[in-house]
Amino acid sequence: GNSVTQMEGPVTLSEEAFLTINCTYTATGYPSLFWYVQYPGEGLQLLLKATKADDKGSNKGFEATYRKETTSFHLEKGSVQVSDSAVYFCALTLYGGSQGNLIFGKGTKLSVKP
Amino acid sequence: GAGVSQSPSNKVTEKGKDVELRCDPISGHTALYWYRQSLGQGLEFLIYFQGNSAPDKSGLPSDRFSAERTGGSVSTLTIQRTQQEDSAVYLCASSLSGGVETQYFGPGTRLLVL
Repeated sequence: GNSVTQMEGPVTLSEEAFLTINCTYTATGYPSLFWYVQYPGEGLQLLLKATKADDKGSNKGFEATYRKETTSFHLEKGSVQVSDSAVYFCALTLYGGSQGNLIFGKGTKLSVKP
Repeated sequence: GAGVSQSPSNKVTEKGKDVELRCDPISGHTALYWYRQSLGQGLEFLIYFQGNSAPDKSGLPSDRFSAERTGGSVSTLTIQRTQQEDSAVYLCASSLSGGVETQYFGPGTRLLVL
């Protein structure tokens, strides 16, 4: 079946540290890939996305590259801030038709200490 | 503009009672999704609407769950004869037309079944 696996947290980093959150997927067909973020007390919001192989999504200093050969979409940021503390969800949707329901990973909680 | 709104924000009910959860999507969005977020299961897809029709109900966990959407706008998710395992945060999302369009999430309804 279709699924997303992401590294378990929590992840605790110091401010300005480098961040990587691993995400791999299993999918039939050609998925589009997403990272969603949930800040404390707020709703889920899209962070970035990539719709085909080798695409790089980027936003707010975060990046992720769609790697078909390794079925991965790892999230990276060069220098994290305290305000990046949140839960990060990797997700996929299968292109084709108008549906697009998201299949999510379990989420990774990130805490950034000053 | 206004985002996705959900009501109530919190609901406490007794086992065996019926509950109705409401979602107001972003105006003009034809696609609407319900998800459930629970500690044990993470984020799970429940049902998808395109306009007023629901071509995919595959995520509904049992026949106690149903949903409708009227006028291509407001949607209600109904859970009959609630069980303790139904306790979760129920999230609604809408997108312009489905597919890989960005989904915008509401704040969720936190349901607690005693």
